[in-house]
Amino acid sequence: GAVVSQHPSRVICKSGTSVKIECRSLDFQATTMFWYRQFPKQSLMLMATSNEGSKATYEQGVEKDKFLINHASLTLSTLTVTSAHPEDSSFYICSARDPPRTSGRSYEQYFGPGTRLTVT
Amino acid sequence: EDQVTQSPEALRLQEGESSSLNCSYTVSGLRGLFWYRQDPGKGPEFLFTLYSAGEEKEKERLKATLTKKESFLHITAPKPEDSATYLCAVQAWNAGNNRKLIWGLGTSLAVNP
Repeated sequence: GAVVSQHPSRVICKSGTSVKIECRSLDFQATTMFWYRQFPKQSLMLMATSNEGSKATYEQGVEKDKFLINHASLTLSTLTVTSAHPEDSSFYICSARDPPRTSGRSYEQYFGPGTRLTVT
Repeated sequence: EDQVTQSPEALRLQEGESSSLNCSYTVSGLRGLFWYRQDPGKGPEFLFTLYSAGEEKEKERLKATLTKKESFLHITAPKPEDSATYLCAVQAWNAGNNRKLIWGLGTSLAVNP
């Protein structure tokens, strides 16, 4: 299956600083990547959809000025948490969509291993 | 409103005790139903995609089936290493160009040795 990497796996930062998380599709080109946030014992919450070469589409309630997304190439998307605060501490997961091999089929999403962000 | 409901919320099995997880959905047009496995502190791992009622897919001890209203993930003779949270998601025809997934809350499976 398709492989997605994410870096770093864990990061601890001080309140007010910015943190960048990288998401890479290793063996396929991903025109679309997704950024999720997950709280303990809860399901995935979609934050934004990142399309290569265009602006990201943010879900309702997600501050686009706080969570900056850049999808500069077909294999790399980045999420920058700006001026991080303790309430931003969470598990952030990216996914990349593998184009369907059969016309009309759905796109399968492959997930990175996640990044645990702790803001102190 | 498009919705995905998984049951049970949690399931505890003895090793070798087969069972099924349920994912019921209401969407205006199903484009695909996905099953993922998630271990604590890790990203979801893709398991299966199902597209139409009657379709079945198997992988080791897991078998996924699909009807017009729900999907089942059957676990045959589970082992402790099958312990994880199993997530179900659907993609609807009306989800727009980005085709985002609609997620269930997951079933937390624990298999005791």
